[in-house]
This record gives sequence, C-alpha cells and structure tokens, in this order.
Amino acid sequence: QSALTQPRSVSGSPGQSVTISCTGTSSDVGGYNYVSWYQHYPGKAPKLMIYGVSKWPSGVPDRFSGSKSGNTASLTISGLQAEDEADYYCCSYGGTYTVFGGGTKLTVL
Amino acid sequence: QVQMVQSGAEVKKPGASVKVSCKASGYPFSGYYVHWVRQAPGQGLEWMGWINCDTGGTDYAQRFRGRVTLTRDTSIGTAYMELSRLTSDDTALYYCARDVGYGGSKNCFDPWGQGTLVTVSS
Repeated sequence: QSALTQPRSVSGSPGQSVTISCTGTSSDVGGYNYVSWYQHYPGKAPKLMIYGVSKWPSGVPDRFSGSKSGNTASLTISGLQAEDEADYYCCSYGGTYTVFGGGTKLTVL
Repeated sequence: QVQMVQSGAEVKKPGASVKVSCKASGYPFSGYYVHWVRQAPGQGLEWMGWINCDTGGTDYAQRFRGRVTLTRDTSIGTAYMELSRLTSDDTALYYCARDVGYGGSKNCFDPWGQGTLVTVSS
C-alpha cells in the first residue's frame, strides 16, 4: 500500500489554472471512484474539496474540479487566487485500505 | 453545525500508550463512520483506520494493526483512538474526521477535528 504519487510542488500566477496529478494503481485510483482531494493550510484542519472523483461538497467553489483517467486522478484549480496557496492531498480507497498521496505544495506567484 | 473537537496535546515516553478523544456534535453520531489520520512532522497525511459508530466495527491500516484501537461511546458522541508501544516515530499530529457517508462509508472525510499533537520523547 504505497502512497499515491503527487508532484512535490506546482505553481501558477493569479488567474491562471494549475493541475495536480495523483497516480496510484489499478487496485486503488484505477479500481474505484472513491478519490477525494483535501486542501491543507499548515496548522489547520484539512478541508475536503472534491470527493467521488469529481463531486463538490457544499461551499466549495467550482474553480476546483476533479477528474480521473486510468490510474491517475487530477485536481484542476482555475482562476487561481492568493488564498489557494496551500498543500493539497489526494486520497483513494483501495478495497482493503485507504491511502493518501504525498501532498503537493501549491504556490501562487 | 457539524463539529469534531479533539482532546489536548500529549507528551508520552517511549513504550507508553496514548488515548485521544474526538467529541462530535451537530449530527446523529451513530449514523456515520469516524476515521483517524496522522501527520508526522514534515510528512504527509497517513490514514490509520475507521470505526463504525453504530456497530462499533473497525478497520485498521495494516501497519497499525495490533497497536491501534478505535472505540466509541455513543452516549456522549465521542470516538477514541488509542495507540500503544509508542516510539519517537509516532510523534505526529493526530486527526479525527467524520466520513461523509450516512449509514456507510464513502471513504472521504469532512469535517476534520483540529488535531492533537502527540509527542513521544524520553
């Protein structure tokens, strides 16, 4: 049950779009539509941004969107804002386990 | 509103055990699963396990089996995580989080508690 693979960091300017990838295996990301994404400011509780691959929880702006192709899920943030600067984690169900990605630090330039 | 409020920071010696509580409010406690996730310093999030707050059934990540015990007290709407045989590698921020699924797990977590820092040091 290795951690899902995410880029360590991504960056973008305000107004631009960025995409964070999350690669797993056919046993987790590729095998189930239970991929979720969390925004995490250091010292704060993580916040659910996307669940079920592409669904929005109440209150999350539609600038955040999720998708999946094969064993790789993606989180796209459009119209980047300064407050989007945070760590982002993907998470997937794997039948007998749950696994997070290693996290991606998003920097808004 | 839905809230998860955790107990305060703990300092433990190697070999000891720690028990962290997570008080839920704003929703029917027995209708949901509660998960536990930890974050070691400078590391990512790590899922530890879940408890079905209705039946008390549990599932644990393989690396914690035999060392972690999840329980709940439905009379006071509180879930607990106990971790035994602590080592310095267990120094981390421990979070509880409610599953979003009512009556079954959707394996995603919202909301989260504020986190409990557990420090293991001799």
